[in-house]
Amino acid sequence: SQTIHQWPATLVQPVGSPLSLECTVEGTSNPNLYWYRQAAGRGLQLLFYSVGIGQISSEVPQNLSASRPQDRQFILSSKKLLLSDSGFYLCAWRTLAGRSYEQYFGPGTRLTVT
Amino acid sequence: GQQLNQSPQSMFIQEGEDVSMNCTSSSIFNTWLWYKQDPGEGPVLLIALYKAGELTSNGRLTAQFGITRKDSFLNISASIPSDVGIYFCAGQLTYNNNDMRFGAGTRLTVKP
Repeated sequence: SQTIHQWPATLVQPVGSPLSLECTVEGTSNPNLYWYRQAAGRGLQLLFYSVGIGQISSEVPQNLSASRPQDRQFILSSKKLLLSDSGFYLCAWRTLAGRSYEQYFGPGTRLTVT
Repeated sequence: GQQLNQSPQSMFIQEGEDVSMNCTSSSIFNTWLWYKQDPGEGPVLLIALYKAGELTSNGRLTAQFGITRKDSFLNISASIPSDVGIYFCAGQLTYNNNDMRFGAGTRLTVKP
């Protein structure tokens, strides 16, 4: 069966510091991978998605970036964090079920920028 | 991108009661998904719907894909305390990779 991992689970970082969040998927190959941010009490905002190694699409202009160095690894980065980067970051992968998609989320990373 | 209109925003019910929540949109969707999110955790997929009119159950949960393809609802029967959490709807607008839309969530509180 497929599983998705994210680490770290929680992170407290000062403004201006760098960021690296990692997501890995097991039990599937060539998945579509996604990074979302969830602000407190709000819905999900798509940040980046990737359909393959080295292929990254950005949905929202910001000081974050993403990379996909391996088929089942997705990394979210920043060179200098802002206070507004605080939030709950979710990685997700998508599988084709018939002609439609099912999307599965990781456990999330709680980022607090101080 | 266009988000889904999910209602109600929150519900406070007594244990044993039934619950109903829905998502609507002005656009046509080809897939509807319902998730539950516990505090501090990622959303967990509960039910997936693929065809207009489809009615699918998962234990005490039942969800339907609206005939117009513009809405979906989720029912929970005989609620229990562990049903507490935030329920999200998600709809796939097209077959593009980035076309999943999400509702803002319904926060469910169940009083014993």
